[in-house]
Amino acid sequence: AQRVTQPEKLLSVFKGAPVELKCNYSYSGSPELFWYVQYSRQRLQLLLRHISRESIKGFTADLNKGETSFHLKKPFAQEEDSAMYYCALDANAGGTSYGKLTFGQGTILTVHP
Amino acid sequence: DARVTQTPRHKVTEMGQEVTMRCQPILGHNTVFWYRQTMMQGLELLAYFRNRAPLDDSGMPKDRFSAEMPDATLATLKIQPSEPRDSAVYFCASGLGRTNEKLFFGSGTQLSVL
Repeated sequence: AQRVTQPEKLLSVFKGAPVELKCNYSYSGSPELFWYVQYSRQRLQLLLRHISRESIKGFTADLNKGETSFHLKKPFAQEEDSAMYYCALDANAGGTSYGKLTFGQGTILTVHP
Repeated sequence: DARVTQTPRHKVTEMGQEVTMRCQPILGHNTVFWYRQTMMQGLELLAYFRNRAPLDDSGMPKDRFSAEMPDATLATLKIQPSEPRDSAVYFCASGLGRTNEKLFFGSGTQLSVL
């Protein structure tokens, strides 16, 4: 069975500082990894997915299969980045996952002015 | 802008009462998921449907929870009887049912069982 672990429930940084939200996963197959974000009073929404190799709002995440990690990074945090962040995994077992995601426990990021 | 609609937004009830939460997925989406959000566990998958058929409800306490899709525009999650430990935010999400397609989440139902 797959599992996603986000070791930090709370993370505080100052504006302009680098930030890294940790995510580790366990899955025997080839996973698809995502980061979702929930800003205050907004819906949970997709931030980025590893397959797209994209940078959204200055955030990047690299899949490290050796360390089974998918950490989210941003070199200079902004106050508007304060939110709840969830790492998620799609087990994609032969294409039959149908988009089902396994989420981590979430990390609340607070960026202080 | 298509959205997943959940009702009610907030529900306060007493222990032992029945609770019904509703979700209208985005038109054209064929998969619907129910997740429960708590501080301790994060987002837990309770059940999900594809083309209205239940695929997996192993995340739900079977004795009190039930999930159905009476038609393509409505998914329901019922708790009977409710207990204080059920207090959480319940999210519905819908998608196209393919890997790497993003899920669209509703605003959630915040449930408080007293």
